[in-house]
This record gives sequence, structure tokens and C-alpha cells, in this order.
Amino acid sequence: ETGVTQSPTHLIKTRGQQVTLRCSSQSGHNTVSWYQQALGQGPQFIFQYYREEENGRGNFPPRFSGLQFPNYSSELNVNALELDDSALYLCASSFRERSFEQFFGPGTRLTVL
Amino acid sequence: QKEVEQNSGPLSVPEGAIASLNCTYSDRGSQSFFWYRQYSGKSPELIMSIYSNGDKEDGRFTAQLNKASQYVSLLIRDSQPSDSATYLCAVKKGGGADGLTFGKGTHLIIQP
Repeated sequence: ETGVTQSPTHLIKTRGQQVTLRCSSQSGHNTVSWYQQALGQGPQFIFQYYREEENGRGNFPPRFSGLQFPNYSSELNVNALELDDSALYLCASSFRERSFEQFFGPGTRLTVL
Repeated sequence: QKEVEQNSGPLSVPEGAIASLNCTYSDRGSQSFFWYRQYSGKSPELIMSIYSNGDKEDGRFTAQLNKASQYVSLLIRDSQPSDSATYLCAVKKGGGADGLTFGKGTHLIIQP
């Protein structure tokens, strides 16, 4: 059974640019959630995808968007990057019928200069 | 009032002792409760989940839930230096599309 994987590991962007982060869910999992973790804080829920549709969203602006593909992998896109977007971005996968238990990937560290 | 509150610590515990970590939550509709362990520079790792009042034991870990008091705790018995990490309490309000709401975490240090 393969775990959740994310790419890239680290990324440096400048303010105003756009970024795409990728996630492959754990084998057998059909739901993907994305979280943002700022330094010294707990993760904050961005959104969740199931059956290729967003079906839950936290308090994040529309410039945060995503996709889920038929193989359950997912992308997080962030437009018009701001300095405060610098954080660890975490992808978590789960099985819909047990969506409470979420398993995290290693994360992507995004730095916005 | 923050939705999920934890004492940020650091909490220092001697090796071999019991570490007690606490968490309170504000939403009475919360149904599922989790403890994640996060080592510095790493992602959170699920160590315990609990859904009903009472205690749940798994090896050296015991999770305790009191919905009336809106309180969740994690006990770590026979603490080891490898238990030194940040422990995140997470709450899920309902089924389906709700994400997890996390506290800021408690930094635990096990002193050899």
C-alpha cells in the first residue's frame, strides 16, 4: 500500500505569481483534502475533493482552487501569490466512507518572496 | 473563542513518566476527534482517533473524550525521548465534506 505523495518538496515563488502543487492519494482512498500550515500554527482546511468535485471549503479566497483527477490525484492552484501564502501545504487522503481519518503526505514548503 | 484550544507548551516530562496533553473545543456538534503527532519539519501523523465518550487505548497511548465538558486528552505512558514532538488535536464537525479543525499544538519534550 503506497502512502500519500506530494510534489514538489520545496518551491520558491515571487509575489503575484501562480503556483501548482500536486498530490497522489494513498492507495484505495477516494477523497483528498488540502491544508495550509503556517509556522507555529496548526493546519488550516482549504478544501476537499471527492468524485472530481469540490465538496467542502474552509475560509480561503477563490484564488485558491483545485482539481481532482479520475485516479484520485489532486492539484492545488494558488493565483496572485501573497507573502502570507508562505507555508507548508499538506495534502491528506481518506476513504469517503471513513472520511474522518485523514492521512497526510509529506507536504510542500512554499516560500513567497 | 478559538474553535480548538491547546496549551502550546513546551511541556517537559521525564523519560518513563506519563505525559498528559489536553484539548478543548467549542462546537458541540463535533463528532470525531483525533490526535496527530508532528515532528519538526515533518507532516502530521495520525496516532489516535476517538468518537464516543470514555477512554480508548492503543499501546502506550490513551485518548479520553468528554463531550459534556468539550474536552479531549491524550495520555502517553512510559514516555520515550522519541515521543518529543508537537501534538495536534483535531476535531471534525460532521461527516462528509467537513475538514478537520486543528489546534495550534502542544510541544512535548521528553527529558532523558
